[in-house]
Amino acid sequence: DVKVTQSSRYLVKRTGEKVFLECVQDMDHENMFWYRQDPGLGLRLIYFSYDVKMKEKGDIPEGYSVSREKKERFSLILESASTNQTSMYLCASSLYQGPYNEQFFGPGTRLTVL
Amino acid sequence: AQKITQTQPGMFVQEKEAVTLDCTYDTSDQSYGLFWYKQPSSGEMIFLIYQGSYDEQNATEGRYSLNFQKARKSANLVISASQLGDSAMYFCAMREGTRYGGSQGNLIFGKGTKLSVKP
Repeated sequence: DVKVTQSSRYLVKRTGEKVFLECVQDMDHENMFWYRQDPGLGLRLIYFSYDVKMKEKGDIPEGYSVSREKKERFSLILESASTNQTSMYLCASSLYQGPYNEQFFGPGTRLTVL
Repeated sequence: AQKITQTQPGMFVQEKEAVTLDCTYDTSDQSYGLFWYKQPSSGEMIFLIYQGSYDEQNATEGRYSLNFQKARKSANLVISASQLGDSAMYFCAMREGTRYGGSQGNLIFGKGTKLSVKP
């Protein structure tokens, strides 16, 4: 079974702090993704990576950066957290791109920025 | 324009009855995939079922089936014999085309339907 793990289920940070959200997958997947989920808005793609050290912006990259130094690990970084970044963050991975490959999700991190 | 539309923000179903969750999509690609995910209150997204645009048969996985009507661009999820554990948010998603790299090949999600199963 594919396993995608995220470093924290719940996180509380203060405005202006630098925040790291870590995601690890154990199935040698090429592609990894970061989404945020807000009520009424569904899931929105922040960044994704299709190879080590490769990254591409998704639909809402502002205020975020990412790092992928190893194939199994994809980190989301909030350089200076703001209250409007309070959200549920979901990491996902898939073996390939293309329309026939499902994404496997981690359990999510509920981030609150005070 | 929305690519994935789920028109039912919330639905109720009686335990042991069947329920249909609606999903319509918009794409000009010939090759695409349609997915349904379940999200319980605990937060994790659970993959349920997949339908490829070239698949002639409707996909089925246990109690889940996908009613795929290509001409209408709809991909409704049918849950048979609902159970209390089916209470969750359900998301329809689409992945377009055969382009590799770039955001075009990524999953596009609808806003979800909250299903509540009554005992």
